[in-house]
Amino acid sequence: EDKVVQSPLSLVVHEGDTVTLNCSYEVTNFRSLLWYKQEKKAPTFLFMLTSSGIEKKSGRLSSILDKKELFSILNITATQTGDSAVYLCAHLNDYKLSFGAGTTVTVRA
Amino acid sequence: DAGITQSPRYKITETGRQVTLMCHQTWSHSYMFWYRQDLGHGLRLIYYSAAADITDKGEVPDGYVVSRSKTENFPLTLESATRSQTSVYFCASSERYGGRDGYTFGSGTRLTVV
Repeated sequence: EDKVVQSPLSLVVHEGDTVTLNCSYEVTNFRSLLWYKQEKKAPTFLFMLTSSGIEKKSGRLSSILDKKELFSILNITATQTGDSAVYLCAHLNDYKLSFGAGTTVTVRA
Repeated sequence: DAGITQSPRYKITETGRQVTLMCHQTWSHSYMFWYRQDLGHGLRLIYYSAAADITDKGEVPDGYVVSRSKTENFPLTLESATRSQTSVYFCASSERYGGRDGYTFGSGTRLTVV
């Protein structure tokens, strides 16, 4: 069974700080790793990572995959209060997404 | 409106009752999914469907039934609700195998079984 583990479970930072979220995985047939942001409602798609070492960026968010060490990181630079959310990592295999438990990020003004 | 909609947004039901959660998408996506979200467990897949009339079990299917007679609808039925089924339920859809564009989630249904 696919296993996705996120760390830390939660963290609190101040505006302007940089945040690094971790996602490790143990899966039988790797296809892609996805990151989502969830703010009290539906998760919204951030990134899909398939190839190792290629950074994906969107504004202040970036993510990279290491297929050798079986992990991914999500970075948020110059954090804002609007970045407060649960960040979910998920492995995509066949049709199915297997999620980690998520990291709750709280950004204080 | 285009998108994926779930109904109801909130539902309280009694133990033993049958309840159906609705999911409707307007994109004609082939793939649809039902997840439940519980504290400490993240999102867990209940059932999924690759096309109309094709459904399959996910990680936690017990106590649930799905159908997909039309591409756009994917209802989830709790045949006899139990307190352990109190959760937030999300429906999702994807355009193609592998979800290159990412899975799109509905706004969720918060179900409480008393």
